[in-house]
Amino acid sequence: DAEITQSPRHKITETGRQVTLACHQTWNHNNMFWYRQDLGHGLRLIHYSYGVHDTNKGEVSDGYSVSRSNTEDLPLTLESAASSQTSVYFCASSDWGTGANVLTFGAGSRLTVL
Amino acid sequence: TQLLEQSPQFLSIQEGENLTVYCNSSSVFSSLQWYRQEPGEGPVLLVTVVTGGEVKKLKRLTFQFGDARKDSSLHITAAQPGDTGLYLCAGGRPSGSARQLTFGSGTQLTVLP
Repeated sequence: DAEITQSPRHKITETGRQVTLACHQTWNHNNMFWYRQDLGHGLRLIHYSYGVHDTNKGEVSDGYSVSRSNTEDLPLTLESAASSQTSVYFCASSDWGTGANVLTFGAGSRLTVL
Repeated sequence: TQLLEQSPQFLSIQEGENLTVYCNSSSVFSSLQWYRQEPGEGPVLLVTVVTGGEVKKLKRLTFQFGDARKDSSLHITAAQPGDTGLYLCAGGRPSGSARQLTFGSGTQLTVLP
């Protein structure tokens, strides 16, 4: 069965360290997204990609970067982790063509920055 | 700025009761989706509505899209403990990139046995 997997599921790091969260999907979806989820804020879009070598900034992109070298993977990098980046991160993918954009989510990565 | 306001933010009810969750905006959306999220998991799509005034039913869940496509509601009849979870609405934009969704802040529902 097709799936979308995130790793690691839990990560504790220190302020200033670089952190990379992996996202791998086998749906062959063109679109991939990274969201962060914080209490009271719902899901906020960090970065997204519509295909290989395409990346775009979302509403909360400062301090984050992504790259898309193939269809399956969209790793999220925190260049210098800050305590404000403590959150649960969700990767999602979709195959939008016509109609509504339906997202398939991974199980999330909980990041704690000390 | 949060473009989609959900209410209530928290809701705790007894098994068998009915409830309604609201999702409101001043913006027009081309589609409106509802997701349910359980602890330790990602959100899972429940329904998509695309036409103003549209009503969809999923067993005991009834979803409605407002006539002006600015709001939506989720009604659960005879709630069960298995309905417990975080309910998120998400609106798709009619202009710009329709591939982006705007999420509401969520309604945490707890159904007590």
